[in-house]
Amino acid sequence: DIVMTQSPDSLAVSLGERATINCKSSQSVLYSSNNKNYLAWYQQKPGQPPKVLIYWASARDSGVPDRFSGSGSGTDFTLTISSLQAEDVAVYYCQQYYSTPCTFGQGTKLEIK
Amino acid sequence: EVQLVESGGGLVQPGGCLRLSCAASGFTFSNYWMHWVRQVPGKGLVWVSRINGDGSSTTSADSVKGRFTISRDNAKNTVYLQMNSLRAEDTALYYCATYLRDQGAFDLWGQGTMVTVSS
Repeated sequence: DIVMTQSPDSLAVSLGERATINCKSSQSVLYSSNNKNYLAWYQQKPGQPPKVLIYWASARDSGVPDRFSGSGSGTDFTLTISSLQAEDVAVYYCQQYYSTPCTFGQGTKLEIK
Repeated sequence: EVQLVESGGGLVQPGGCLRLSCAASGFTFSNYWMHWVRQVPGKGLVWVSRINGDGSSTTSADSVKGRFTISRDNAKNTVYLQMNSLRAEDTALYYCATYLRDQGAFDLWGQGTMVTVSS
């Protein structure tokens, strides 16, 4: 199974500041035939199911604010929130769907400083 | 409205069984793979099982293989998870999920149903 490791486990950022979450996979999730990274980012708020923010490592899902962006390729990926808003307080997960079983990172808890 | 609604969770003793259901609406159910993902409260997400659109192909995590069975009834727009030989470590919130757009990431989730395995 591909192991997904996120860093940090928790993060406190001031409102309006940038938040950066990293995700590393134990093997590449880049599919060479279509040059797509099979990597997604989810946001989960208390009492709610996860919500997809980013897929193919950098494609923003419909309705997701443009302050959220994803980058990276191969084994190293980053989720960036350019200007933190109060409603962004949540746990963030990366997920690889390159191979079965799909696997998730352990989560990063994002709080307001 | 496009949605998934899980049911069937509850308290069960170790070694017992439970069947979870996930009712889908608002989309052509038989066209899509369906998945179960579980989450221990306060912990991370763990994929459990999946089934293809016509039910001919299933895959499960090693941790549940031989104990859990995923199935679907496309006439009822429902996917099931039959859980046998339950263990304390199966205690979790169980979500069903799918991806309606061809991008592989789960873009539709239910609210989850809680399974507690305890004596």
